[in-house]
Amino acid sequence: DTEVTQTPKHLVMGMTNKKSLKCEQHMGHRAMYWYKQKAKKPPELMFVYSYEKLSINESVPSRFSPECPNSSLLNLHLHALQPEDSALYLCASSQEGQNYEQYFGPGTRLTVT
Amino acid sequence: GQSLEQPSEVTAVEGAIVQINCTYQTSGFYGLSWYQQHDGGAPTFLSYNALDGLEETGRFSSFLSRSDSYGYLLLQELQMKDSASYFCAVRDRGRNSGGYQKVTFGTGTKLQVIP
Repeated sequence: DTEVTQTPKHLVMGMTNKKSLKCEQHMGHRAMYWYKQKAKKPPELMFVYSYEKLSINESVPSRFSPECPNSSLLNLHLHALQPEDSALYLCASSQEGQNYEQYFGPGTRLTVT
Repeated sequence: GQSLEQPSEVTAVEGAIVQINCTYQTSGFYGLSWYQQHDGGAPTFLSYNALDGLEETGRFSSFLSRSDSYGYLLLQELQMKDSASYFCAVRDRGRNSGGYQKVTFGTGTKLQVIP
């Protein structure tokens, strides 16, 4: 199984809502990532988890809160977002120490109204 | 600081060969990856070069010159389905990452294959 799944595919939320994005992989990867991608731009790293522990936070605003409940799951909790947070949110995973070869999920298209 | 440069757009004819260049400036360089992303899709890993030279995987090859801080992706026998964005991604010792080897994506090259 070389698939990373993400739910939901699309999400529309108001600025006062609380929502969560979910990511799952069953490749036995111990490194997982959240990226944000705006249209016609490259993916921007937000968070890195290694062995279920947060190892990198790229100065992401606290309205984004990651969580790694176990080695297969990664969540991104959203609260009080701004319209400029509208983007494609991508989850990825890799073997630990092999972040050069990441497997990406299809992403969640988020629109903040 | 760190920088990655790629051409923004390239157009090539079906069946031809195209080269997408990537120049980088970074400290603590470990290697260069390439990813393909179709419109509306997820990035897909293509190749990784840690050492100088050419790596070949089917119709795609990737080259790295560490001394020139330069790499390229070569696509042969172009097919219409190769129309996509291609990102180089540098793996280096991130500045504020406590020694963690960080991956940063370049700005991407949109390849259009025409009949």
